[in-house]
Amino acid sequence: RKEVEQDPGPFNVPEGATVAFNCTYSNSASQSFFWYRQDCRKEPKLLMSVYSSGNEDGRFTAQLNRASQYISLLIRDSKLSDSATYLCVGMDSSYKLIFGSGTRLLVRP
Amino acid sequence: EPEVTQTPSHQVTQMGQEVILRCVPISNHLYFYWYRQILGQKVEFLVSFYNNEISEKSEIFDDQFSVERPDGSNFTLKIRSTKLEDSAMYFCASSGGQRGGYGYTFGSGTRLTVV
Repeated sequence: RKEVEQDPGPFNVPEGATVAFNCTYSNSASQSFFWYRQDCRKEPKLLMSVYSSGNEDGRFTAQLNRASQYISLLIRDSKLSDSATYLCVGMDSSYKLIFGSGTRLLVRP
Repeated sequence: EPEVTQTPSHQVTQMGQEVILRCVPISNHLYFYWYRQILGQKVEFLVSFYNNEISEKSEIFDDQFSVERPDGSNFTLKIRSTKLEDSAMYFCASSGGQRGGYGYTFGSGTRLTVV
């Protein structure tokens, strides 16, 4: 299995919609997990860490299911400014980041 | 907010030439990294650096690549003889600790174009 795998999208949703992204990971990328956001030709920026108990930051909710090796990100009330690529990222046992290929989100007016 | 600074933002070089990409990590960070992203592909780890030596390197980081921390502030990536396939965005990152997810900060990148 690829270390971190995501659906590339694009997800094309209207403003105000709720959208969910999923990601699966292999054992080699399973130390910690994060969601990063990347705008076109810019650096990745940390959106949020992902905890086993699930965590929320405003409109964003992240969930981790270790049994299924599955991570999700839910965005509620999508804004135009949420349009970006969302990167699912694992950290391996040597603390380097393992990136997924990213899921593109397009929020339309 | 502290930043990781990279220069230049864009470099065009001829195949076979040497390039040095420069980074100034966050001042109290101890762990330094280079990642790269070929256009349309995922971000890939190149090398990590701690205590003035390489901690880990990927299979991409062959003998053409080297890293250095020549003084207390700069962290450089040198590519000795560039190839067309080295064209990519190169991101420097630093973190305050190994479990650095929170403290992992990326620079804005250097876009390297090899012609």
